Amino acid sequence: QSALTQPASVSGPPGQSITISCTGTSSDVGSYNSVSWYQQHPGKAPKLMIYDVNNRPSGISNRFSGSKSGNTASLTISGLQAEDEADYYCSSYSSSSTWVFGGGTKLTVL
Amino acid sequence: EVQLEESGGGLVQPGGSLRLSCAASGFTFSTYWMSWVRQAPGKGLEWVANIKQDGSERYYVDSVKGRFTISRDNAKNSLYLQMNSLRAEDTAVYYCARGGSSRFGVWGQGTTVTVSS
Repeated sequence: QSALTQPASVSGPPGQSITISCTGTSSDVGSYNSVSWYQQHPGKAPKLMIYDVNNRPSGISNRFSGSKSGNTASLTISGLQAEDEADYYCSSYSSSSTWVFGGGTKLTVL
Repeated sequence: EVQLEESGGGLVQPGGSLRLSCAASGFTFSTYWMSWVRQAPGKGLEWVANIKQDGSERYYVDSVKGRFTISRDNAKNSLYLQMNSLRAEDTAVYYCARGGSSRFGVWGQGTTVTVSS
């Protein structure tokens, strides 16, 4: 049940695109398509942004997209906006019916 | 409106116990897996436990096995987390979340647990 690996921080100017990686193992990300991404603003509860690798819940902007290759999943945010500045966490289903989160990535919009 | 509201957090001494509750509304509670996720101060999210719709399956992160028990009462639309033998490292905001077999689609606002003497 080791945490997934994410970069501690990423940044970009408004309008640009950024990608956050999430690296796991063959026991989690590599074996299941139950990878999801969460946005968390300071002092707030997490919010689901992407599920099952590349699906957006209703109401989530199409500027957010997800993908996966091997043991690594990615979240891409295009057309960065000031309100996108937040912490982002990936999560994956893992063996033994458990779940694992990434350590989180702080996104700064310059 | 779909809502989850946690309660029961507080300050407890090491070795003590606490029972968290989560009241669900706005959806058919009995048809969803439910989970608890925690976040230590300044740290990331950590999945703690989940429970199947009928309570027949329950799973835990290794660090809480044997100390925490997740349960639910579908008649009361409520989720619970009984926490025993609490340690300083259990200090965190505890979130109730809808889901546990797939995504965590709905989250409560969290309840704070502080384990300290």
